[in-house]
Amino acid sequence: GAVVSQHPSWVICKSGTSVKIECRSLDFQATTMFWYRQFPKQSLMLMATSNEGSKATYEQGVEKDKFLINHASLTLSTLTVTSAHPEDSSFYICSAHDRAGDTIYFGEGSWLTVV
Amino acid sequence: GDSVTQMEGPVTLSEEAFLTINCTYTATGYPSLFWYVQYPGEGLQLLLKATKADDKGSNKGFEATYRKETTSFHLEKGSVQVSDSAVYFCAYYSGTYKYIFGTGTRLKVLA
Repeated sequence: GAVVSQHPSWVICKSGTSVKIECRSLDFQATTMFWYRQFPKQSLMLMATSNEGSKATYEQGVEKDKFLINHASLTLSTLTVTSAHPEDSSFYICSAHDRAGDTIYFGEGSWLTVV
Repeated sequence: GDSVTQMEGPVTLSEEAFLTINCTYTATGYPSLFWYVQYPGEGLQLLLKATKADDKGSNKGFEATYRKETTSFHLEKGSVQVSDSAVYFCAYYSGTYKYIFGTGTRLKVLA
């Protein structure tokens, strides 16, 4: 079946550095991908909608200069956390829309720890 | 605002025990409702769904009924197995491929 893969699954970075998380659709083309974030004991919150070949659409309260999203191909979207700080430590998960089957598939998520 | 509330975990049960994970939602209209499951190291997978009031979604022995009167979509299973250990997320579809999720409930089933 369709699979969405995220990389890395776990990442630790130093405060002030940037870190990139990749989201790939492995056997389908995804014109639209979504990025979510989950803080401990809170819900998965939609951060942004990533559209292939155009700018991402950010949800209210999400800093677009802090969380850079690039969707340069039909199978890859990246989320870059710039100048990361400890408060950015969270679980980030992506999903991708398979237009052919009109189905959403989720990645396995990425744990980011900023120290 | 729109939200999903589900019971906090972790929930620890013995094998063959009955499972209920409560879920209630606040939304405009009557959205489609979902339960997703995340097994360790894997992505969220759709477990079951219901698209209108009184619909019952079912899969792998799990069931949930869309209750409009109580705005609830509780997940149940009559006899859990160790392999059911996972995190379960209740969600509804808010339109344009966007989902509103609950916090997730971790289930641990002991042999």
